Amino acid sequence: NAGVTQTPKFRVLKTGQSMTLLCAQDMNHEYMYWYRQDPGMGLRLIHYSVGEGTTAKGEVPDGYNVSRLKKQNFLLGLESAAPSQTSVYFCASSTPTGTGYEQYFGPGTRLTVT
Amino acid sequence: RKEVEQDPGPFNVPEGATVAFNCTYSNSASQSFFWYRQDCRKEPKLLMSVYSSGNEDGRFTAQLNRASQYISLLIRDSKLSDSATYLCVVNNEYGGSQGNLIFGKGTKLSVKP
Repeated sequence: NAGVTQTPKFRVLKTGQSMTLLCAQDMNHEYMYWYRQDPGMGLRLIHYSVGEGTTAKGEVPDGYNVSRLKKQNFLLGLESAAPSQTSVYFCASSTPTGTGYEQYFGPGTRLTVT
Repeated sequence: RKEVEQDPGPFNVPEGATVAFNCTYSNSASQSFFWYRQDCRKEPKLLMSVYSSGNEDGRFTAQLNRASQYISLLIRDSKLSDSATYLCVVNNEYGGSQGNLIFGKGTKLSVKP
C-alpha cells in the first residue's frame, strides 16, 4: 500500500514550457486535491476533484489545469510555466470518515521555473 | 476567504518542556478540526483529529472551544523528535466544499537538548 505518490519529485522548467504532474493513490479515495506551498504562504488549494471525471477550482487555479480520468489518478498541468509557479506542489486524497475528511499527502514535487 | 490563524513561532524549548500552540478559525460552521505535522521538506501528516470534548494521544492533547472558535495543542515532555511545524486545519463547510480543508500557516517548534 503505497498511499499517495507523485511524479516527478523535482523538475526545472524554463519560462513558457509545459509539464504535467502526476498524482496516484491506492486507497480508493473519492476526493483528490492539488496544493502549492510557498514560504510564508502556507498550503493553498489549486484544484480539487470529488470523483472520477469531476474537477473544481480552488483558491489559486489560474495557470493550471487538471484532469481526473481515473479514480486513482489526478493530473496537474502547467501549459506555459511562469517563474511565479516556482513552488512545492503537494497532492492529497481523502474520503469521509467519522471525524471528517482527513487528507493524506504525497511527498511533493519541487518545481523551479527559470 | 475563510481563515485559520496561528502564531508562526518559532517556539524554541528545551527537552522535557511543555509547549502549547493556539489557533483561531473564522468559519463558525466548520465541523472538523485537525492538527497536522510537517517536517522540514516533507509532506504534512495527520497528527490528530480534534474532538469537541477534547482528546489525548500520549503526550499530545487537543482542545476545541467552538464558542470562541479556538483550537489548541499541548505537547508534554517535549522530545527532540517533536521539532517540526504544526499546522492547524479546519474543514471548509461551504457550498459543497465540505471535503476541502483550510490550513493555517503553521507554528514552528524547535526542541533543543
